[in-house]
Amino acid sequence: NAGVTQTPKFQVLKTGQSMTLQCAQDMNHEYMSWYRQDPGMGLRLIHYSVGAGITDQGEVPNGYNVSRSTTEDFPLRLLSAAPSQTSVYFCASSARGLGGELFFGEGSRLTVL
Amino acid sequence: SQKIEQNSEALNIQEGKTATLTCNYTNYSPAYLQWYRQDPGRGPVFLLLIRENEKEKRKERLKVTFDTTLKQSLFHITASQPADSATYLCALDQASGTYKYIFGTGTRLKVLA
Repeated sequence: NAGVTQTPKFQVLKTGQSMTLQCAQDMNHEYMSWYRQDPGMGLRLIHYSVGAGITDQGEVPNGYNVSRSTTEDFPLRLLSAAPSQTSVYFCASSARGLGGELFFGEGSRLTVL
Repeated sequence: SQKIEQNSEALNIQEGKTATLTCNYTNYSPAYLQWYRQDPGRGPVFLLLIRENEKEKRKERLKVTFDTTLKQSLFHITASQPADSATYLCALDQASGTYKYIFGTGTRLKVLA
């Protein structure tokens, strides 16, 4: 099993550009989420989804957009990149039910100049 | 405000000793608490979960305790090895039944040979 796959692994953008971080999982998990990780801040929840067609905001949603058209995919869109969005982004998925162990991707490192 | 606190300073211990990491939280009433391991440049990996009605959970050399009165979890690694060196994150559900997982900033553990 591939688990959770994120692409690209590295990306450099200029301020104002838009892009999409891709996330796919092959475990048939209902729950998927996006986090950003910054030094001293830990992992912060951006958006999450509990199933196809259902998304909700996390702690830091501003400047990001998501959609969930299939169970497998959960792309994260940066509408107009800003230097404050320079970070490492992690996608995670979990099966429904008690516990909700999160399976993380390897991360996407984004730099906005 | 709601927050999760982990010791931000690195913890250095000698090989063979027991490492104890602390996770304190305020203004949450989690149904469960999780611990993850993160190696540099990688995504977090799930280690253990403990539910609010459980006092202690063990898995091989790992032990987690959960005190909902103190709002604290302790994570122990017995007979520590250099390979245990990593950053350890605690996480909890922001509210019972939700999938909003909130993470602490993590504690970096270094086991010295």
